[in-house]
Amino acid sequence: EPEVTQTPSHQVTQMGQEVILRCVPISNHLYFYWYRQILGQKVEFLVSFYNNEISEKSEIFDDQFSVERPDGSNFTLKIRSTKLEDSAMYFCASSEDLARRNTEAFFGQGTRLTVV
Amino acid sequence: DAKTTQPPSMDCAEGRAANLPCNHSTISGNEYVYWYRQIHSQGPQYIIHGLKNNETNEMASLIITEDRKSSTLILPHATLRDTAVYYCIVSLTGFQKLVFGTGTRLLVSP
Repeated sequence: EPEVTQTPSHQVTQMGQEVILRCVPISNHLYFYWYRQILGQKVEFLVSFYNNEISEKSEIFDDQFSVERPDGSNFTLKIRSTKLEDSAMYFCASSEDLARRNTEAFFGQGTRLTVV
Repeated sequence: DAKTTQPPSMDCAEGRAANLPCNHSTISGNEYVYWYRQIHSQGPQYIIHGLKNNETNEMASLIITEDRKSSTLILPHATLRDTAVYYCIVSLTGFQKLVFGTGTRLLVSP
């Protein structure tokens, strides 16, 4: 069964450092997303991406965050200068084609980011 | 904020049906009802969705009331592996941003 793959599974970084979280969405999917979940809290939407541009972003997704699809398979989330409060589980998701309406989102297993 | 209300927790005996309710009284005509679950700290997993008709797939059944203000997710024969947090989410047609609430923590016991 196709799946969304995220690497690394766990990343520890020092405050102020840049991190890049990587995702390989399902191959025929066209919509890509990042969500995050701070320990013990809700899953929160960060950003959606379609046709090589951001289609929607939340207020969490400020100038410290950026997304990129550098090639035909990877989808990355970059945090430019990490803060302690960026520590969370980051989930990548993809869905097939919104034009087909209401296709479900498939989530990866997440990257646990710990900022120290 | 989430547009749904769910009980914070429920218990179910293994092998019995688990019926998880959800209220979405402010749902609009073109919004679908989605159910996802999250096992421990894994990524959310899609279960089922519907607009106004009842739906069934290999995982579960979804019963939506005629006025669409509430729905019930039914796991017909719950197993220990169904222990998870279940999220009921309303989402616009073709609009896949998901707004997660706190969900229902389902505990399936032997």
